[in-house]
Amino acid sequence: DAKTTQPTSMDCAEGRAANLPCNHSTISGNEYVYWYRQIHSQGPQYIIHGLKNNETNEMASLIITEDRKSSTLILPHATLRDTAVYYCIVVLTSGTYKYIFGTGTRLKVLA
Amino acid sequence: GAGVSQSPRYKVAKRGQDVALRCDPISGHVSLFWYQQALGQGPEFLTYFQNEAQLDKSGLPSDRFFAERPEGSVSTLKIQRTQQEDSAVYLCASSFAGSTNEKLFFGSGTQLSVL
Repeated sequence: DAKTTQPTSMDCAEGRAANLPCNHSTISGNEYVYWYRQIHSQGPQYIIHGLKNNETNEMASLIITEDRKSSTLILPHATLRDTAVYYCIVVLTSGTYKYIFGTGTRLKVLA
Repeated sequence: GAGVSQSPRYKVAKRGQDVALRCDPISGHVSLFWYQQALGQGPEFLTYFQNEAQLDKSGLPSDRFFAERPEGSVSTLKIQRTQQEDSAVYLCASSFAGSTNEKLFFGSGTQLSVL
């Protein structure tokens, strides 16, 4: 099973870019990389996902290395409301599919 | 409603009681997931439905845990003879077609406390 490794915690100054790394060295060719975040007392919220190419949406950018063994989530201008736990997930596919969340990165945006 | 709805929001049970947790997915969503989240941990997969079929229940921790989705919409997670280690937030998620190329929508969860 492909698993992910993330730093336990990170700080970021408000207004700066937050760069959250993730290692997924055992990822398979047909497995997507997803990012979710979870704010206290809420369910996880989808941010972005990708397969091979870099992706951008209104929330963030996702940079995936060419060998697909790691990725970086970029929040271009972090705000206090971005303080949350960020999960990097590889979706396992074997007939059914499941998301393995891990413990994530606790991002604290500082004023 | 517009999102995934879970009820109750909080549940307190005495050890040994049975509990039932309800999930209303987004209308028309084919796939439904249950996750368990212990304090300070990431969500852990419990089970997965596609319509009414339970395709994967490999994450259910014991035979005290049972999930159903009889008509392919609302789902119920039942825990029999609750124990203190069952205390956690139980999250439900749904997705439209059950593809790996689509996002999950999560509810806010049911926080279960077993005393």
